[in-house]
Amino acid sequence: DGGITQSPKYLFRKEGQNVTLSCEQNLNHDAMYWYRQDPGQGLRLIYYSQIVNDFQKGDIAEGYSVSREKKESFPLTVTSAQKNPTAFYLCASSMRTEAFFGQGTRLTVV
Amino acid sequence: GDSVTQMEGPVTLSEEAFLTINCTYTATGYPSLFWYVQYPGEGLQLLLKATKADDKGSNKGFEATYRKETTSFHLEKGSVQVSDSAVYFCALSDRNTGGFKTIFGAGTRLFVKA
Repeated sequence: DGGITQSPKYLFRKEGQNVTLSCEQNLNHDAMYWYRQDPGQGLRLIYYSQIVNDFQKGDIAEGYSVSREKKESFPLTVTSAQKNPTAFYLCASSMRTEAFFGQGTRLTVV
Repeated sequence: GDSVTQMEGPVTLSEEAFLTINCTYTATGYPSLFWYVQYPGEGLQLLLKATKADDKGSNKGFEATYRKETTSFHLEKGSVQVSDSAVYFCALSDRNTGGFKTIFGAGTRLFVKA
């Protein structure tokens, strides 16, 4: 079945560590996105990519980095520069207007 | 820039009650409009969509009509069930340079009591 797979589902990070969240899609979509969701809040765009080897900052890119070496993959690294990384992270992809979402990764700083 | 505003929650209803969640948007172009639903601990699922004025999107008893004159896309359901309890997001997608980007409202949490 086609879809978007995020892993891991739960992730724990120690202070000062970088961690990478995986996002893979087999929908052959050109565009991919990372959103952050805080408890009781909406979605805020971190980074997006419309084509391989190209990506743009969203509204809250500070403390995050991404790469887009393959069409299927768009990993997100949460760096130690991100002061408050505990949140629910959602990856999405789209061909034109409709976005398809993964199941999310819940990141907690311990 | 483009934006989406939806009514604040939570909305609490009894089973079989009528549901309306208001959503208005601002956009420089001619966007497509969406409602997504998020169940606890999960990602977002597309509930319905409309791509042009006066289009009505519908799915699972939910409906929303694209009203360009009022820049609105209100979500309605005639008789809610306990299983409809979730967070509902209104969204738009408009062509930007080289592609599309989806903009979401803040979400409205719905609780349905048996």
